[in-house]
Amino acid sequence: EPEVTQTPSHQVTQMGQEVILHCVPISNHLYFYWYRQILGQKVEFLVSFYNNEISEKSEIFDDQFSVERPDGSNFTLKIRSTKLEDSAMYFCASRDRWNTEAFFGQGTRLTVV
Amino acid sequence: TQLLEQSPQFLSIQEGENLTVYCNSSSVFSSLQWYRQEPGEGPVLLVTVVTGGEVKKLKRLTFQFGDARKDSSLHITAAQPGDTGLYLCAGANAGGTSYGKLTFGQGTILTVHP
Repeated sequence: EPEVTQTPSHQVTQMGQEVILHCVPISNHLYFYWYRQILGQKVEFLVSFYNNEISEKSEIFDDQFSVERPDGSNFTLKIRSTKLEDSAMYFCASRDRWNTEAFFGQGTRLTVV
Repeated sequence: TQLLEQSPQFLSIQEGENLTVYCNSSSVFSSLQWYRQEPGEGPVLLVTVVTGGEVKKLKRLTFQFGDARKDSSLHITAAQPGDTGLYLCAGANAGGTSYGKLTFGQGTILTVHP
């Protein structure tokens, strides 16, 4: 069964460092998302991406965040200068053109120290 | 800002009991999705309800979408220890550039004791 793949599963980084989280969405999907979940809190929307551009972004998604689809299969989330409060699980999700059903990856646990 | 209130937050029951989890909002959603999430993993889609009043069954799980598409419930019959986990509801935005964006409830941590 097709699935969304995220790497790495766990990333530890120093405060102020740049991190790039990687995602390979389901191959025939056209809409891509990043969500995050701080420990013990609800899953929060960060950004949606379609047709090589951002469709919508939340207040969390400030100038320190960026997304890119560098080729036909990868979808990345970059945090330029990480802060302690960026520590969270980051989930990539994708869906096809016709449905709102979103399929999630296993997540990347980002720990900023 | 859309909000989805999920209740209860915690549920601890004995094997064989029935339970219901609720998701309520003042906003209309194009669909509502129920996920199950294991610790340290991503949400796994259980079901999507799309039409107001729709009822879907998945073995002992029954999902219902409210007539106005603002609320939903998950009912589990004769719960088993294997049902233990975190259940999430998520509403999908109805239109525009936000179409498909998910708003999540807080989650319900279900524990079923043998």
